[in-house]
Amino acid sequence: EVQLVESGGGLVQPGGSLRLSCAASGFTFKDAWMTWIRQAPGKGLEWVANVEQDGSKTHYVDSVRGRFTISRDNTRDSLFLQMNSLRAEDTAVYYCARHNYYRFDFWGQGTLVSVSS
Amino acid sequence: QSALTQPPSASGSPGQSVTISCTGTSNDVGASNYVSWYQQHPGKAPKVVIYEVTKRPSGVPDRFSGSKSGNTASLTVSGLQAEDEADYYCSSKIGLDNVFGGGTKLTVL
Repeated sequence: EVQLVESGGGLVQPGGSLRLSCAASGFTFKDAWMTWIRQAPGKGLEWVANVEQDGSKTHYVDSVRGRFTISRDNTRDSLFLQMNSLRAEDTAVYYCARHNYYRFDFWGQGTLVSVSS
Repeated sequence: QSALTQPPSASGSPGQSVTISCTGTSNDVGASNYVSWYQQHPGKAPKVVIYEVTKRPSGVPDRFSGSKSGNTASLTVSGLQAEDEADYYCSSKIGLDNVFGGGTKLTVL
């Protein structure tokens, strides 16, 4: 059974940093693209970033490029999102998902990031 | 990376059919066979119901179908059931990125 479990969310002040983690199991992690997707309270889904299998290639939505870094550790079947210079508009539930030919076929339960003073 | 355009709401009675549209551009929906649709119930993670425009994952009822014409993709839910009431989002490949639609709240009357 595929499982994706996010952690690391919480309350942070504007300008602060946070690192999200996603523990994967039930599939060959090193063979999969992985993705972070977020959803602001009461709003729609927003794709945030992709990382290719070996972690060497990454892709970001314009609004986070230069502030967020997606990475992975294939030895620990783990995905990460380092978020710096956080803004109020980054407040959202952040989902980790498996990217399978541009569809997201498995999702975690999400972790809430709140940016507020 | 502008969001795809979906109607904010749609509705139908049990047993009826409803179609939700998703309009993009020649750079995303119009250029890609990688259009997918997601169902999200309140407080839950989204679930893919259609991928690659028309394909249905195992376990998704055949009441769900997808299509595309030009820059617009569509999701049709036939034989509406109460459990189909949810938010629906389309998504498309754009270059090496992804873009979502704004979402449609489907109400079963």
